[in-house]
Parts: sequence; structure tokens; C-alpha cells
Amino acid sequence: GAVVSQHPSWVICKSGTSVKIECRSLDFQATTMFWYRQFPKQSLMLMATSNEGSKATYEQGVEKDKFLINHASLTLSTLTVTSAHPEDSSFYICSARDLRGERGFFGPGTRLTVL
Amino acid sequence: GENVEQHPSTLSVQEGDSAVIKCTYSDSASNYFPWYKQELGKRPQLIIDIRSNVGEKKDQRIAVTLNKTAKHFSLHITETQPEDSAVYFCAASKGDDKIIFGKGTRLHILP
Repeated sequence: GAVVSQHPSWVICKSGTSVKIECRSLDFQATTMFWYRQFPKQSLMLMATSNEGSKATYEQGVEKDKFLINHASLTLSTLTVTSAHPEDSSFYICSARDLRGERGFFGPGTRLTVL
Repeated sequence: GENVEQHPSTLSVQEGDSAVIKCTYSDSASNYFPWYKQELGKRPQLIIDIRSNVGEKKDQRIAVTLNKTAKHFSLHITETQPEDSAVYFCAASKGDDKIIFGKGTRLHILP
């Protein structure tokens, strides 16, 4: 149990385009999902916390208009990187908590490369 | 907000020896401390966790200790094996709140 999927697993796009990443909890309902970004050889940096049906809470320094988060259902959260630039190239990982508030379950990550 | 410090950043250990990674946290309200192992290009995998009402927890070759007073917690890996080579992250969380990660320790197991 407690499986989290992400789609796509990798994406390459041109500078200026927008990219949407999906995070799904497959066998449980996730009231809260977290989005992390990880640059090479660095730690996971929390970008934002999304709760189903409400606006996401962004960490300091993360542009909410650039990284749009939508948590429309208890099993799906999406992160849209708008007008992507090469510096946005990174490994994006989501984590989902179940209704009991137990530990987060991580998705497999999405590697974004912006040319 | 919570700040998690992790040391060392790199650790090389002879196969069969023990490895110890140490972390400190700043928020005394944090009560959940997971440890993750991450291999290159993959998601972090939870290897062990401890809650603030427990001082020590062990799972085969892996153990974690927690000192709430000092806000320290440590990961101990005994009888290290080549497959233990990876990046290890400590983290801290307040109940159902976000998980904040340390900067990671790159563990090399030497043959």
C-alpha cells in the first residue's frame, strides 16, 4: 500500500514553455501533498504544501506565480512550472500524507530539463 | 521555521565497520524524525524513523537514537556492506506538518 506516482518521469522542454507534473496517490487519499525540488548533489528543498480544496502554501523564496499548484482531489496534485527557464531544471519530487497524518510517501520524481 | 543540520557531508567507511551520521534540529515542537536513503536518480526511501516519545529504535543493522533535550538524533549502521553506499538524509517534522530535510551525507563503503 501507500503508493505515490508521478507523471511524467522526465521531460525536456524549450525555454519559455510551461510544464505540468502530476502527483497521484494510488491506493490512499492524501489530504496533504508536498512538492520538493532537488538540484544535483543537493538536498530536497520544500517548495510548497498543498491541501485538497485550498490554496497551496509556498515556502519563502518560491514564486507562487511561477510554480502553480493545484490539489483538486484527494488523490491528485499538479505542479505547473510556467515559463520555464534553464535554471528551473531540477528533480521535482512530491510527497503525500494520508488521512491519518502518517509519514509522507514519496513519488518517484520528475526530472525536468529546460533547454 | 525548522532547521535541520546534518554531519558529516561525506563519510567513507571500510566494509564491515560502523557508520554514524548525526543531525540536530532547531524546533523543539518537532516530534517525528525519519531517515531516508537515496540512490542516484531515485526517490528517497524511508529506512527508519523515530518519534519523540522514544529514545532509541533498532531495525537489524540500522539504529537511530534521539536526545530530545539536546535536539540531537543519530543514525547508526553496523556491519556496513557495499549496498549501503548512498546518500542519507535525516529529517524532522511536527506531526502532520511538512518534513524538513538535512543536507545529506554521502556514504561510501570501501572494499
